[in-house]
Amino acid sequence: GAVVSQHPSRVICKSGTSVKIECRSLDFQATTMFWYRQFPKQSLMLMATSNEGSKATYEQGVEKDKFLINHASLTLSTLTVTSAHPEDSSFYICSANRDSGAYNEQFFGPGTRLTVL
Amino acid sequence: RKEVEQDPGPFNVPEGATVAFNCTYSNSASQSFFWYRQDCRKEPKLLMSVYSSGNEDGRFTAQLNRASQYISLLIRDSKLSDSATYLCARDSWGKLQFGAGTQVVVTP
Repeated sequence: GAVVSQHPSRVICKSGTSVKIECRSLDFQATTMFWYRQFPKQSLMLMATSNEGSKATYEQGVEKDKFLINHASLTLSTLTVTSAHPEDSSFYICSANRDSGAYNEQFFGPGTRLTVL
Repeated sequence: RKEVEQDPGPFNVPEGATVAFNCTYSNSASQSFFWYRQDCRKEPKLLMSVYSSGNEDGRFTAQLNRASQYISLLIRDSKLSDSATYLCARDSWGKLQFGAGTQVVVTP
């Protein structure tokens, strides 16, 4: 299977700081990556679709100025949580899309656990 | 109504037994569905895809009932290592919509 990495795996920061999370597809190219957020005992909620070379598309209710996404290459997308607050504490997971025959397969990164104090 | 709904469980299953649970979806136009397994504090891992009436992979069988708009997952001969949360997802124009997951606990 394809491998997707995320860095960092865990981050603790003070309220008001910005945090950058990297998502890399290690052995395939990904024109499309997705960013999800998961609160405890809840489902993964899609935040945005990251498209290489163009602007990300955000889901309803997700502030694009707060969650900055950059997809500068076919193997790297970054999510920056700006001016983080305690309510942003969550498990952030990316996935990378690899075209695979009849359907697009998504491969998930290991996730980043953000704690904002 | 949520797009994808699951019984949160937990389903407590004796080792070796069979367990089955459903996932209902609201959009009848949905074509592709997936079952993922998620262990505590980890990312989801694809278990199987469901495109037509069903799919089978070893001890795992998924079935799609379009008339009633649900997919099911059946686990035979449960192992302790099957303990996890099982997420169903539907493909919506290339995006995945997830249910909140069904927790399965296999006991010795």
